[in-house]
Amino acid sequence: NAGVMQNPRHLVRRRGQEARLRCSPMKGHSHVYWYRQLPEEGLKFMVYLQKENIIDESGMPKERFSAEFPKEGPSILRIQQVVRGDSAAYFCASSPWSANTEAFFGQGTRLTVV
Amino acid sequence: KQEVTQIPAALSVPEGENLVLNCSFTDSAIYNLQWFRQDPGKGLTSLLLIQSSQREQTSGRLNASLDKSSGRSTLYIAASQPGDSATYLCAVPPPGGGADGLTFGKGTHLIIQP
Repeated sequence: NAGVMQNPRHLVRRRGQEARLRCSPMKGHSHVYWYRQLPEEGLKFMVYLQKENIIDESGMPKERFSAEFPKEGPSILRIQQVVRGDSAAYFCASSPWSANTEAFFGQGTRLTVV
Repeated sequence: KQEVTQIPAALSVPEGENLVLNCSFTDSAIYNLQWFRQDPGKGLTSLLLIQSSQREQTSGRLNASLDKSSGRSTLYIAASQPGDSATYLCAVPPPGGGADGLTFGKGTHLIIQP
């Protein structure tokens, strides 16, 4: 049973470009969470999704950021028109039932905006 | 709003020592608490999950305790080894089982000297 898979592991984008980060949850997990870790800061919750539904996006910036978890395929975190302040590690986690069960994290995508 | 604090922020000890990492949280209405390990540039590895009904959870040389009423958890590492060097994070789900995802402390950066 493969763990949570994120790709790419590293992503470099120029200011103004789009970044697309992918996350495949563990097999059998239908709950996906995205977190952001800024340099020298803790992990911050961004968005919680179930298949085809956004459950809570209260931690995600209102502009330029979007997330989806389609019926088929991985969850996608999309950042449009990236700026230098978007440079961070983005982690995806999955759990089998809800936020109250054990969360398993991927290796993260490290986004660098130049 | 839930806040999680970890003390100390950094710790450096000689190999072989037993040590305690501390985590405190402001809202005790949690279902569980999870301890993670993060190696530099890597993802999070789940170490222990303590349910709110439990007082302790053990895995190998690691022992985690939870005192909900006082809003505290400790992670005890016995007979520390250089391979234990990493950042240790504690995290709690939303109080009352909401949908916000985990709230993390900023971590304890642990260095075990050979």
